[in-house]
Amino acid sequence: NAGVTQTPKFQVLKTGQSMTLQCAQDMNHEYMSWYRQDPGMGLRLIHYSVGAGITDQGEVPNGYNVSRSTTEDFPLRLLSAAPSQTSVYFCASSYVMTGIRNTEAFFGQGTRLTVV
Amino acid sequence: SQQGEEDPQALSIQEGENATMNCSYKTSINNLQWYRQNSGRGLVHLILIRSNEREKHSGRLRVTLDTSKKSSSLLITASRAADTASYFCATGVGTSGSRLTFGEGTQLTVNP
Repeated sequence: NAGVTQTPKFQVLKTGQSMTLQCAQDMNHEYMSWYRQDPGMGLRLIHYSVGAGITDQGEVPNGYNVSRSTTEDFPLRLLSAAPSQTSVYFCASSYVMTGIRNTEAFFGQGTRLTVV
Repeated sequence: SQQGEEDPQALSIQEGENATMNCSYKTSINNLQWYRQNSGRGLVHLILIRSNEREKHSGRLRVTLDTSKKSSSLLITASRAADTASYFCATGVGTSGSRLTFGEGTQLTVNP
């Protein structure tokens, strides 16, 4: 059981380049999300999805796009990289809370992105 | 903006002592969760408490929730050097409780 898998682990981009961060989960979770973490700070929500075909913006969505064509995959696309997007990016997945299920989130190991 | 605020920002204790971290939040919540992060790696879930619960235990962890004061505390008893990490509280909002908003964390150092 792999859990949440993020690729790549490290990436260096030049300003203006675009790229896609991949995230896949094998737990059949409905909910998936992307966060960024800057030094000494907590996680800030970029985008999230409550199921295939449904996405929504989080706290800091500008400069990022997402799509959710399958339950398993939730890629994050940087449209035109900027130095301000230098950060560590985490993908997470969880069940949607019900009467018996809790919503503990499972996190990937992160992608360290540097934009020069 | 961050929903939760942890206090203290940093805590240094000796092995065997107890560590208490506090979290305050601003809006109504569905649940509150605590996570641990080692050295910039992925977060690991520790414990979840629902808004209608007041206290939960898991091993050496004890979490309390006071919705009237919009605050929570995490107690780690008999701490070990391996407990050294950053600890984050996260509030789950909305009907599903899945959308999490994180605080800035408490850096705990347990000295051998």
